[in-house]
Amino acid sequence: DTAVSQTPKYLVTQMGNDKSIKCEQNLGHDTMYWYKQDSKKFLKIMFSYNNKELIINETVPNRFSPKSPDKAHLNLHINSLELGDSAVYFCASSQGVRTGELFFGEGSRLTVL
Amino acid sequence: AQSVAQPEDQVNVAEGNPLTVKCTYSVSGNPYLFWYVQYPNRGLQFLLKYITGDNLVKGSYGFEAEFNKSQTSFHLKKPSALVSDSALYFCAVTDNNNDMRFGAGTRLTVKP
Repeated sequence: DTAVSQTPKYLVTQMGNDKSIKCEQNLGHDTMYWYKQDSKKFLKIMFSYNNKELIINETVPNRFSPKSPDKAHLNLHINSLELGDSAVYFCASSQGVRTGELFFGEGSRLTVL
Repeated sequence: AQSVAQPEDQVNVAEGNPLTVKCTYSVSGNPYLFWYVQYPNRGLQFLLKYITGDNLVKGSYGFEAEFNKSQTSFHLKKPSALVSDSALYFCAVTDNNNDMRFGAGTRLTVKP
């Protein structure tokens, strides 16, 4: 029974397209995150939601729009995809925003051609 | 803003030898420190954390880490490395802010 699940696991698309990645957690956590991991494995936070409210919004192009319909779900929509968007996107959740460890999904590998 | 530094891109050790993966941090408030491990094509997995209390923290798979306030360090250690410990290790920190910042990662290779 997967704790944090992301779909799709792989996504290959053309520049200019719009795509979405979905994330669900069944841990009962209040906080969910999106992280981007680039080809050098550097991990950077993009967004964080606590009980459906946006609490972190890093310097991310506004082509990226997160949506949290409830505290168990955090989806990521990307408009007008660019080559530089190619990366692995990780969803995570935690109980609490400072001291709780993160539980990560398996990642969604996005390739923009 | 808080940050962590992992000064080594790569650490190589022989199986059975002790291992250390280094991490230093910078925060404006109280540090909350974490170690995670990432195996190929997988998400990160939590190993251990320091919030308060004993400076020596024990975690999963026989790993431990020592919080050193004067040196602002939180090095990950294991007394006897296994080949299966080979992976990418990330140090992370939060403070009074809400977000967790990760280091650049250290690739650990344990050779038989």
